[in-house]
Amino acid sequence: QVQLVQSGAEVKKPGASVKVSCKASGYTFTSYGISWVRQAPGQGLEWMGWISAYNGNTNYAQKLQGRVTMTTDTSTSTAYMELRSLRSDDTAVYYCARDSYNWNDGVAFDIWGQGTMVTVSS
Amino acid sequence: EIVLTQSPGTLSLSPGERATLSCRASQSVSSSYLAWYQQKPGQAPRLLIYGASSRATGIPDRFSGSGSGTDFTLTISRLEPEDFAVYYCQQYGSSPTFGQGTKVEIK
Repeated sequence: QVQLVQSGAEVKKPGASVKVSCKASGYTFTSYGISWVRQAPGQGLEWMGWISAYNGNTNYAQKLQGRVTMTTDTSTSTAYMELRSLRSDDTAVYYCARDSYNWNDGVAFDIWGQGTMVTVSS
Repeated sequence: EIVLTQSPGTLSLSPGERATLSCRASQSVSSSYLAWYQQKPGQAPRLLIYGASSRATGIPDRFSGSGSGTDFTLTISRLEPEDFAVYYCQQYGSSPTFGQGTKVEIK
């Protein structure tokens, strides 16, 4: 079946980096993109950015520009999200979600990963 | 950035009742690129409605979406026990944004 499976929970110290993976199966990975969404404890959903698995193009939320990098490995159908210079307010569940391979193509997020808890604490 | 404002923040209803959730955008949402998601505790969001009014695969017909421009509505015609959850609207016509959510709780 179509699914996205994410890597396990992480605990990081302030200033460190974290890299979360999202492995796709059940569909042609390069025909879609991946968006990343995070949710702080008890809070709403925040879109972080998008990457096309077709050509590697990216688009990041302005507030995270310079701290986030999204990549893909088409040989393993896996997307990655790296967040650097972690702060306590980066503590959240991080989700990947299937998106369009083209930016602004108007595609809702129909498949979601199970989420990865990232805790930033000294 | 398009800001989405959902109301009410919390809706207290009984099973079998009708739920009406509102989502208002700060500017017009292009091509009705408006979606609704349901999220239960400890779970990822689930897509319910896309294109403002189209049900996603496997979504029961008690869920319906309507609206255009800046005003959108999610209606649950008769609440089932499994429908008590948090609902988010999202616009995906430009840099995606989400509303702050409406919690539908058991009265």
